[in-house]
Amino acid sequence: AQSVTQLGSHVSVSEGALVLLRCNYSSSVPPYLFWYVQYPNQGLQLLLKYTTGATLVKGINGFEAEFKKSETSFHLTKPSAHMSDAAEYFCAVTRASGGSYIPTFGRGTSLIVHP
Amino acid sequence: DAGITQSPRHKVTETGTPVTLRCHQTENHRYMYWYRQDPGHGLRLIHYSYGVKDTDKGEVSDGYSVSRSKTEDFLLTLESATSSQTSVYFCAISESGRENYGYTFGSGTRLTVV
Repeated sequence: AQSVTQLGSHVSVSEGALVLLRCNYSSSVPPYLFWYVQYPNQGLQLLLKYTTGATLVKGINGFEAEFKKSETSFHLTKPSAHMSDAAEYFCAVTRASGGSYIPTFGRGTSLIVHP
Repeated sequence: DAGITQSPRHKVTETGTPVTLRCHQTENHRYMYWYRQDPGHGLRLIHYSYGVKDTDKGEVSDGYSVSRSKTEDFLLTLESATSSQTSVYFCAISESGRENYGYTFGSGTRLTVV
């Protein structure tokens, strides 16, 4: 069964510092992986996704993630944190269910950005 | 946003009463989903729909039912609300149920069962 594990329920960084949010997946087949962001009192918004092809995926707001099959990881990074990046981040992997593909979400990582 | 609206945005209800949450989309997407979000659990799938009158259960479907009589509307009903169903409920839509498609989420409904 496909699943994801997000390491760390909270990550704290200073403004301007590197952001690294960790996600490891478990999948018996080539995975399709996603990162979503949730700002306070809002729904989830797609940041980026990996399907096939290039393993380094660029998303919105300067975020990127690298698919590493050997490490079963899909960590999210941003070179320089901004105060507006403070939010909850969710990693997700799709799993087959009947004729559909359903995303399975990690438990989320709250990113805290200090001035 | 991509034309997805949830109503109501907030609701307080009493234990044992039925509650219906509505998800309305203007994108004509085939797939619609209901999730609940709880601290420490992330998002968990309750039910989903892959077409009018076509629905299936998710991982936490007990105590919930759904209906989809029109493409644009997906209703979630708590048959007899319990305190354990206090949560934030999100609806999501997808153009395709394929594995490489992303999902668009509504803004959520905060439900409190007292």
